[in-house]
Amino acid sequence: GESVGLHLPTLSVQEGDNSIINCAYSNSASDYFIWYKQESGKGPQFIIDIRSNMDKRQGQRVTVLLNKTVKHLSLQIAATQPGDSAVYFCAENIGGSNYKLTFGKGTLLTVNP
Amino acid sequence: DTGVSQNPRHKITKRGQNVTFRCDPISEHNRLYWYRQTLGQGPEFLTYFQNEAQLEKSRLLSDRFSAERPKGSFSTLEIQRTEQGDSAMYLCASSSGQGPEILFFGSGTQLSVL
Repeated sequence: GESVGLHLPTLSVQEGDNSIINCAYSNSASDYFIWYKQESGKGPQFIIDIRSNMDKRQGQRVTVLLNKTVKHLSLQIAATQPGDSAVYFCAENIGGSNYKLTFGKGTLLTVNP
Repeated sequence: DTGVSQNPRHKITKRGQNVTFRCDPISEHNRLYWYRQTLGQGPEFLTYFQNEAQLEKSRLLSDRFSAERPKGSFSTLEIQRTEQGDSAMYLCASSSGQGPEILFFGSGTQLSVL
C-alpha cells in the first residue's frame, strides 16, 4: 500500500480564505518531505520542503507543518487565490542513499471567486 | 529555457507498437528520474539515474520498459509492445545530486495506447 496518503481528496475554498491541505505518512524513516502543486496538463511544481528535524517552515503565503509524533504533514496557503487552484501532492523521501520521492494521491483545491 | 524538457508532449499509438520518449534534464543536474502518473493518482517512481548509471528500477518497470542515459545528459524511455494499460503521463525529473533534495519535473509525455 501507499505510505503517503491524504485525508481529503477535494477542498473548495473562497478566494481570500486560508486553505489547509493535510497529508499522513506511515514510514517513520522518512526524513524529507515536499509539497508539489500540479496544474492540469503540467508536471508537478515545487512549493515548499521540510526536513524531519524541523516542525515548521514558511515560504511566501505557504507554511508547512510537520508532526512526527502522529506522522502528519500539512500545507497552509494564506489568502488563497484563483491561481492556487490545482492538485496538491505531498511526497516523502525515506532517507539514506535512496533519493527518490514517494507521492500520495493528491488533493484537488478549488478556489471560488 | 533552463527547465526539464520532455518530447513529445503527446503520443498516440496502437497496441503492440514501440514508443520512445526523450527527457532533457536541467543542465548539470546529475540525477534523472522517470515517473508514471495515471489520472487521479500521484506520480509513481519508475527508475532513476546518477549520471549514466541506472541505480534503481521499480518493480512497476516490466521488461517491456527500458531507460537509458548514455552520456549522463539526456535520457530516453522506451516501451516495447505497448499495451492499453501503459496509457499514462510519463514524467521526467532531475535534481542536482546533493542529498535528499527537490526534484524538478518536466511537463510530461501523455501516452495513449489505442
